[in-house]
Amino acid sequence: AQRVTQPEKLLSVFKGAPVELKCNYSYSGSPELFWYVQYSRQRLQLLLRHISRESIKGFTADLNKGETSFHLKKPFAQEEDSAMYYCALGNNNDMRFGAGTRLTVKP
Amino acid sequence: GAVVSQHPSWVICKSGTSVKIECRSLDFQATTMFWYRQFPKQSLMLMATSNEGSKATYEQGVEKDKFLINHASLTLSTLTVTSAHPEDSSFYICSARDRQGTGYQPQHFGDGTRLSIL
Repeated sequence: AQRVTQPEKLLSVFKGAPVELKCNYSYSGSPELFWYVQYSRQRLQLLLRHISRESIKGFTADLNKGETSFHLKKPFAQEEDSAMYYCALGNNNDMRFGAGTRLTVKP
Repeated sequence: GAVVSQHPSWVICKSGTSVKIECRSLDFQATTMFWYRQFPKQSLMLMATSNEGSKATYEQGVEKDKFLINHASLTLSTLTVTSAHPEDSSFYICSARDRQGTGYQPQHFGDGTRLSIL
């Protein structure tokens, strides 16, 4: 069965500090992993996907198959990064979301 | 690009009425559309997956007679909450996946519909 785990419901950091949002998955095949972000009162938006290997808004995420992780990282958090972040695993016709982590960046 | 429009954004109605929510992909054709339910401060819960021209696949525990899904075209899917009751009050979100491109295409989300049953 495929499962996505985000162990932290809440994460709070100060502006300028590094931030890492954890995501672990379980899946027997080759996963396609995504990070979505939901800013206050806005729709869910795709932040990045692992096959793109790109940096969006300063965020990066590396797929670690050995540790079955896809942690989201940013070296210097900004206040505007405060939002709800969801890790998701795509497979065939399906996508499973983690429970989400609410990131608060304090001034 | 990849805009998904969901309508209405908010609806309040009496218990026992049926409510229809529309989900449209505006600038792309969607092979598959998804319907989610989100409770306050919780993650998205997948209710059903619909493919154009075929019956929707419902997740375990979701009543298909209660939540009717129609996906008549590559750009439109509808969710009808039949004989709605207060416990059906929730935030319903649709998403659509582009049929173009290689690999697993990400989903694009609508703004959601807040349903309040009195």
